[in-house]
Amino acid sequence: GPKVLQIPSHQIIDMGQMVTLNCDPVSNHLYFYWYKQILGQQMEFLVNFYNGKVMEKSKLFKDQFSVERPDGSYFTLKIQPTALEDSAVYFCASSFLGGSYEQYFGPGTRLTVL
Amino acid sequence: GQQVKQSSPSLTVQEGGISILNCDYENDMFDYFAWYKKYPDNSPTLLISVRSNVDKREDGRLTVFLNKSGKHFSLHITASQPEDTAVYLCAAGGGSNYKLTFGKGTLLTVTP
Repeated sequence: GPKVLQIPSHQIIDMGQMVTLNCDPVSNHLYFYWYKQILGQQMEFLVNFYNGKVMEKSKLFKDQFSVERPDGSYFTLKIQPTALEDSAVYFCASSFLGGSYEQYFGPGTRLTVL
Repeated sequence: GQQVKQSSPSLTVQEGGISILNCDYENDMFDYFAWYKKYPDNSPTLLISVRSNVDKREDGRLTVFLNKSGKHFSLHITASQPEDTAVYLCAAGGGSNYKLTFGKGTLLTVTP
């Protein structure tokens, strides 16, 4: 089926540094999402993005977070600066034009902040 | 509190048996209910979903049952096979902007 790719699969950084997580969504999808999963907890919605704009964000989407998809390239999640509590697996998802609950997920990026 | 809850963290079923995975939710606005399957270090994969206007949907060995008054939905897997062993995530959505709310998951182990 359709595949969403995420790069890198793992990232280890020091607290206070900047990190960018990259997502290559399904090619004809135009809605994009980030979810965060802390170890032992459920996946939680962070943000969704359509037509160059954030449509909705949760309280987990702190001011240090930003998303963009410049010129149809990767959909990115940037955290600047990082904090210890940002350690988690971040899942990207995309869905078909028009918006849909049928979201296709990537395998996740495991972020460790030291 | 958790809006979508999977009360069983794990379930073991013998090969050939029926696996029943359960999910409870709190939000009356949810009108989309789904089950995802996840292997370690892999993507959650959508298995089956229903909208709130139906109370049952079948797809091969999979059946979703929705009980809106009880705020509960379940996934039944018939003729369970060892390759069904995985974490199963329930998810619900409603309102605008298509965000999904997930449960913590149930690890299903099918023994030969």
